[in-house]
Amino acid sequence: AQKITQTQPGMFVQEKEAVTLDCTYDTSDQSYGLFWYKQPSSGEMIFLIYQGSYDEQNATEGRYSLNFQKARKSANLVISASQLGDSAMYFCAMRGMDSSYKLIFGSGTRLLVRP
Amino acid sequence: DTGVSQNPRHKITKRGQNVTFRCDPISEHNRLYWYRQTLGQGPEFLTYFQNEAQLEKSRLLSDRFSAERPKGSFSTLEIQRTEQGDSAMYLCASPAGNTIYFGEGSWLTVV
Repeated sequence: AQKITQTQPGMFVQEKEAVTLDCTYDTSDQSYGLFWYKQPSSGEMIFLIYQGSYDEQNATEGRYSLNFQKARKSANLVISASQLGDSAMYFCAMRGMDSSYKLIFGSGTRLLVRP
Repeated sequence: DTGVSQNPRHKITKRGQNVTFRCDPISEHNRLYWYRQTLGQGPEFLTYFQNEAQLEKSRLLSDRFSAERPKGSFSTLEIQRTEQGDSAMYLCASPAGNTIYFGEGSWLTVV
């Protein structure tokens, strides 16, 4: 069975500093996709970044980068130059390659950016 | 704006009443997913459609829940005889390539 583990229930970071949010996953699939989403208090799930299991380069999207370590089965999200608006819940998710392509989510990490 | 819209955004209902949520996915995308998210948890898969066909249902989807996607466009999720345990946010998602976009969610509170 697939599983996503986020071990940090909450994190603090000082504005303008970088922060790493941890995510480990478990799957027996050879091909899979990893996602990070941001969920502000308003509730919408905002897509941040995607990494395919066969992608050799770590994914980057603006201030977001995904530190993908396949052998360790980790897919940590790095946010550079944190902003106050980055305060939110962050969810790591995985999509297997069964026909449904449904996402399995972790329990999330609440990030609070301090001014 | 992800192109996925849901309504109503908020619904408060009395226990035992029926509620219906609607999702309008990204146009011309043939897959549509429903997820449920309870407080403090990540979203959990409920069901998905390929065009108008409902192809998979989670164990979470009890017989009080029914989802439809007539004509393969918008989808509805109905909960009959609501219970307090149904209080959650119901999220709709629509994939576009390697990106999966979510709607803003429909919050349900059962009192």
